Amino acid sequence: EIVMTQSPATLSVSPGESATLSCRASQSIGRNLAWYQQKPGQAPRLIMYGASTRAPDFPPRFSGSGSGTEFTLTISSLQSEDFAVYHCLQYKNWPMCTFGQGTKLEIK
Amino acid sequence: EVQLVESGGGLVQPGGSLTLSCAASGFTFSTYSMNWVRQAPGKRLEWLSFIGSSSTTIYYADSVKGRFTISRDNAKNSLFLQMNNLRAEDTAVYYCARDLITGGHWGQGTLVTVSS
Repeated sequence: EIVMTQSPATLSVSPGESATLSCRASQSIGRNLAWYQQKPGQAPRLIMYGASTRAPDFPPRFSGSGSGTEFTLTISSLQSEDFAVYHCLQYKNWPMCTFGQGTKLEIK
Repeated sequence: EVQLVESGGGLVQPGGSLTLSCAASGFTFSTYSMNWVRQAPGKRLEWLSFIGSSSTTIYYADSVKGRFTISRDNAKNSLFLQMNNLRAEDTAVYYCARDLITGGHWGQGTLVTVSS
């Protein structure tokens, strides 16, 4: 099984600043990586797939990069609505897929 | 608008069974594959099962293989997850989801609690 490890577990950032979230795969997954945002009591929302293709609902301040085993989600000019938990999802062997443990982005 | 509504969750004793349902609307259900994903308290999201549009292709995570059965009724726009021999570690919110990778359509989830 491909294990996904996200870091940090919690990230404290002030509104208006940028946040960089990381996700590492236990083996190479190419660019088969998606990012999800989840707020309390809500279902996850797809932000990004193919490592860097942004879903239509999310603004350009969300960007993704990486390939192989190292991936990054960057959120610039943080808005209040961006504070949430972020999950990465690898789908190299779709439909078998695995999620990271999540990074909580909190207001500093 | 794509809508997925799960139901059937509740409290069940260890070793018991439960069947979850997911009612789909706003799209042609019979042409889409579907998934079940769960989230246990304080744990990461866990993909559980996939079923192709015509039910001919089915996959399970190792953690539920042999205990859970996914199925669908395209005539009723419904997805199901039959869960047998439930354990405490199966306690979670269970989501049905379409297009996990490119569309990301999820229901709001249904809570399953396994406890005596």
